[in-house]
Amino acid sequence: NAGVTQTPKFRVLKTGQSMTLLCAQDMNHEYMYWYRQDPGMGLRLIHYSVGEGTTAKGEVPDGYNVSRLKKQNFLLGLESAAPSQTSVYFCASSDPGETQYFGPGTRLLVL
Amino acid sequence: KQEVTQIPAALSVPEGENLVLNCSFTDSAIYNLQWFRQDPGKGLTSLLLIQSSQREQTSGRLNASLDKSSGRSTLYIAASQPGDSATYLCAVRFPGAGSYQLTFGKGTKLSVIP
Repeated sequence: NAGVTQTPKFRVLKTGQSMTLLCAQDMNHEYMYWYRQDPGMGLRLIHYSVGEGTTAKGEVPDGYNVSRLKKQNFLLGLESAAPSQTSVYFCASSDPGETQYFGPGTRLLVL
Repeated sequence: KQEVTQIPAALSVPEGENLVLNCSFTDSAIYNLQWFRQDPGKGLTSLLLIQSSQREQTSGRLNASLDKSSGRSTLYIAASQPGDSATYLCAVRFPGAGSYQLTFGKGTKLSVIP
């Protein structure tokens, strides 16, 4: 099993550009999550999903959109990137109430 | 506001030493607590998950304890090795409106000196 995979691994954007980060899991987990990790701030939840076709806001949702059209995939979109969105983005998945498994991360630099 | 605190932010120990990492949290009514390891430039690896009804969990040289009444958890690492060097993160799942998310501490960066 590959576990949780993320695409791309690294990306540089200019302010105002858009992009989509892809997360895929092969563990048949119901729940999926997007976090961002910033120095001094720790990990913060952006959006999450408790099942195919569902999404909900986390702690820091502004400037991001998500979709979960298939159970194994969770997409994170930035419609108009801002320098404040420079971060490392992690996707995770879990069964309800159980261990969260994390992907390797996507490093995003917005100039 | 529900918060998770990890002190110290960094710890350096000689190889072979037993050590304890600390995690404290507000609100004793938690669902579960999870310890992670993060290597530089990498994702998070789950080490141990303690459910609210449990007092401790063990995996190899690692032992995690949970004391909800005092709002504390400890991660005990026996006979430390240089390969244990990493940042250790504590995360709590609190009940309430944000019950689906984990609230993370900022981590303790551990260095094991050969």
